[in-house]
Amino acid sequence: DAMVIQNPRYQVTQFGKPVTLSCSQTLNHNVMYWYQQKSSQAPKLLFHYYDKDFNNEADTPDNFQSRRPNTSFCFLDIRSPGLGDAAMYLCATSRRTSGRVETQYFGPGTRLLVL
Amino acid sequence: AQSVAQPEDQVNVAEGNPLTVKCTYSVSGNPYLFWYVQYPNRGLQFLLKYITGDNLVKGSYGFEAEFNKSQTSFHLKKPSALVSDSALYFCAVRDSRVGSYIPTFGRGTSLIVHP
Repeated sequence: DAMVIQNPRYQVTQFGKPVTLSCSQTLNHNVMYWYQQKSSQAPKLLFHYYDKDFNNEADTPDNFQSRRPNTSFCFLDIRSPGLGDAAMYLCATSRRTSGRVETQYFGPGTRLLVL
Repeated sequence: AQSVAQPEDQVNVAEGNPLTVKCTYSVSGNPYLFWYVQYPNRGLQFLLKYITGDNLVKGSYGFEAEFNKSQTSFHLKKPSALVSDSALYFCAVRDSRVGSYIPTFGRGTSLIVHP
């Protein structure tokens, strides 16, 4: 029944070692989001895809990139993780259509630890 | 521009007592309002939303929220709190205007229900 799946749930990486987090969905939603959440703060939007259109938030560091090879999958690549990138990374999806209100559905998150 | 405020970092309530978690918002158009709950090391779970219609919205796990346009508020309520309701609660707002589909989250309120 899982609708938004994130793997792995916990990821440990070394300072500067590239890491990829994955997200998949069974909802066939056309919008996928990546959020960063630190220590019980509000989720911070990094970027999102509307279909294949990539939308980057202005303050998202260049160190963060994303790929969406198809509707179901979306990846978050951190090229050179720093200690400050340790956080919970949340993937979310929603359906965007004209005249409809889109509820976001979140995955369980991946907690990233940088050593 | 849209924004949301959760004025309380933490709310403490005894089990069996009613609870209220406060949220106020600001949007240019009409608001779409959401409440999410987050348990430790988990993603956000959708509780309820207000789009239009009745000001009192009922959601999951016995929660409800009251939309008050004059006070620009959307407070989350539950008549009788459970210890298992202890979690982090996020309010989110989105402008109803066409083309606006990215919600803004509040900073979260930690609800602690004491036995």
